[in-house]
Amino acid sequence: AQSVTQPDIHITVSEGASLELRCNYSYGATPYLFWYVQSPGQGLQLLLKYFSGDTLVQGIKGFEAEFKRSQSSFNLRKPSVHWSDAAEYFCAVFPTDSWGKLQFGAGTQVVVTP
Amino acid sequence: GAVVSQHPSRVICKSGTSVKIECRSLDFQATTMFWYRQFPKQSLMLMATSNEGSKATYEQGVEKDKFLINHASLTLSTLTVTSAHPEDSSFYICSARDGTVLNQPQHFGDGTRLSIL
Repeated sequence: AQSVTQPDIHITVSEGASLELRCNYSYGATPYLFWYVQSPGQGLQLLLKYFSGDTLVQGIKGFEAEFKRSQSSFNLRKPSVHWSDAAEYFCAVFPTDSWGKLQFGAGTQVVVTP
Repeated sequence: GAVVSQHPSRVICKSGTSVKIECRSLDFQATTMFWYRQFPKQSLMLMATSNEGSKATYEQGVEKDKFLINHASLTLSTLTVTSAHPEDSSFYICSARDGTVLNQPQHFGDGTRLSIL
């Protein structure tokens, strides 16, 4: 079955430490891939996207993500987190084999400690 | 660029009231807009896809007579929750896609917190 999985529901990280959020997908063809961030009570902001080409994608706010076809993964990373990075992060995929709807992962809550 | 404006940001009203939420694409034309519902600590659930000039496409289990969607122009879609009840209380988020190219990302509004007393 087609799915997008974010294995980590909750991550706590110290300010200044590195962060990696995992995202795995299960689709017949490589979908379009997105990461969104949601601050409390707010809508979603697009961090970055991958369609094709270079597998390392740079986004806003110092985030990057790496597409790994062999692992069906699109993990989000940031070398040094700031307190303002505390938020909910959603991985989303848009299947290209059926041009279906945008599918969201369950989300990962990131807490940043001093 | 690619700004989506959603209003109001918060609504508190009595049971039985109808509530209208607006979603506007400010700097691009959106042939397609999407309406989501989000429960606390959960991901987004697609309610319907709104297409300019035609009827909305509702997801399974979403009552089209309860959640009326109108996409009157390329920059405006509205969601009306008719005769709202406490169980309709939720966070509603709209999104819009720039143009008709499917690989363009969706851009989201800031959401509307609906509370029915």
